[in-house]
Amino acid sequence: EAEVAQSPRYKITEKSQAVAFWCDPISGHATLYWYRQILGQGPELLVQFQDESVVDDSQLPKDRFSAERLKGVDSTLKIQPAELGDSAMYLCASSQANVLTFGAGSRLTVL
Amino acid sequence: KQEVTQIPAALSVPEGENLVLNCSFTDSAIYNLQWFRQDPGKGLTSLLLIQSSQREQTSGRLNASLDKSSGRSTLYIAASQPGDSATYLCAVRVATDSWGKLQFGAGTQVVVTP
Repeated sequence: EAEVAQSPRYKITEKSQAVAFWCDPISGHATLYWYRQILGQGPELLVQFQDESVVDDSQLPKDRFSAERLKGVDSTLKIQPAELGDSAMYLCASSQANVLTFGAGSRLTVL
Repeated sequence: KQEVTQIPAALSVPEGENLVLNCSFTDSAIYNLQWFRQDPGKGLTSLLLIQSSQREQTSGRLNASLDKSSGRSTLYIAASQPGDSATYLCAVRVATDSWGKLQFGAGTQVVVTP
């Protein structure tokens, strides 16, 4: 069964450092999402891509977060500099026909 | 802004009992509603998708209903098993958003005791 691949699964960093997460969606899925999930809460959309274009980044803290999806396939989410409040699970998902498939997530801990 | 609420936040039942999980949303303008399961430290697995024109969807022991006019959905899990222990989240696809943004609830954490 096709999966959404994410790496790394776990990342521990000190505040003010830079971190990056990678996502490879299911082949052929044009829509890709990055969500942030704080412990005990539901996922919150950070950025949504349609092919290589950003269609929604209204909740992305643009002073420190950036996301790109070159060639409309895999995607990278970067945080620089990381802050204590960025500790969360970062989930990538891709969709076709309105059904989202999520990756296993990347757990970030900022010390 | 669409608000999605799931009550209760946590639920514990003995094995064999039926589970009833509730989801409410404030704006009835939705494309669909989706139920997910999340195991600790893992990603989300889609369980059921109900289109706005549908009243219910079934998959095995799972049945989800949708009452769009009252802003409610219910997920029923029949004859619960310890393996059903997880957090269950609902999400609505917002019709007023041109790209169909998903709005999630905070989830209901379920524990099924043997």
